[in-house]
Amino acid sequence: GAVVSQHPSRVICKSGTSVKIECRSLDFQATTMFWYRQFPKQSLMLMATSNEGSKATYEQGVEKDKFLINHASLTLSTLTVTSAHPEDSSFYICSAKFVGPYNEQFFGPGTRLTVL
Amino acid sequence: QKEVEQDPGPLSVPEGAIVSLNCTYSNSAFQYFMWYRQYSRKGPELLMYTYSSGNKEDGRFTAQVDKSSKYISLFIRDSQPSDSATYLCAIYTGNQFYFGTGTSLTVIP
Repeated sequence: GAVVSQHPSRVICKSGTSVKIECRSLDFQATTMFWYRQFPKQSLMLMATSNEGSKATYEQGVEKDKFLINHASLTLSTLTVTSAHPEDSSFYICSAKFVGPYNEQFFGPGTRLTVL
Repeated sequence: QKEVEQDPGPLSVPEGAIVSLNCTYSNSAFQYFMWYRQYSRKGPELLMYTYSSGNKEDGRFTAQVDKSSKYISLFIRDSQPSDSATYLCAIYTGNQFYFGTGTSLTVIP
């Protein structure tokens, strides 16, 4: 299957700082990438859909000024958590849509964010 | 009504058992069906995908789609402790993805 990488895998930061998470599709081009948030033992919660070269589409209830998404190229999307607070601590997962017969989503390994 | 419904479990089976995981969906226009496996603290891993009614087999895994009943299943034969994970069904409409809540599976040695 196609490979999606995510960096960093784990980050601990102080409250009030900003954190950037990168998502890369390594062996395919992805015009569409997705950002999810997952709390322990809960399912994926879609935060936003990132389209290369255009503004991200945010799901209802997700603050776009807090979670900045940039999809600058066909292989890279970034999520920046601005002015992070402890309640932003979570597991953030990106995925990339593979344009093929089934349009599968391939997921990155996730980033665990802990805000102190 | 949610677009995709999945029993969260947890499901616990002995090693070697046949496991059946199921999802129902609401919209008959849904086209593509996928199953993901997620180990604890890891991203989901695509297991199988299909778009037609019927069965698709890959090793010990069989994905089944019944479009008339709007029901999809994943069967795991000869289950192993390494199959212990959360399994998510996913449906792509051609425009949007919908995920089930995931079923937590534990295979007991």
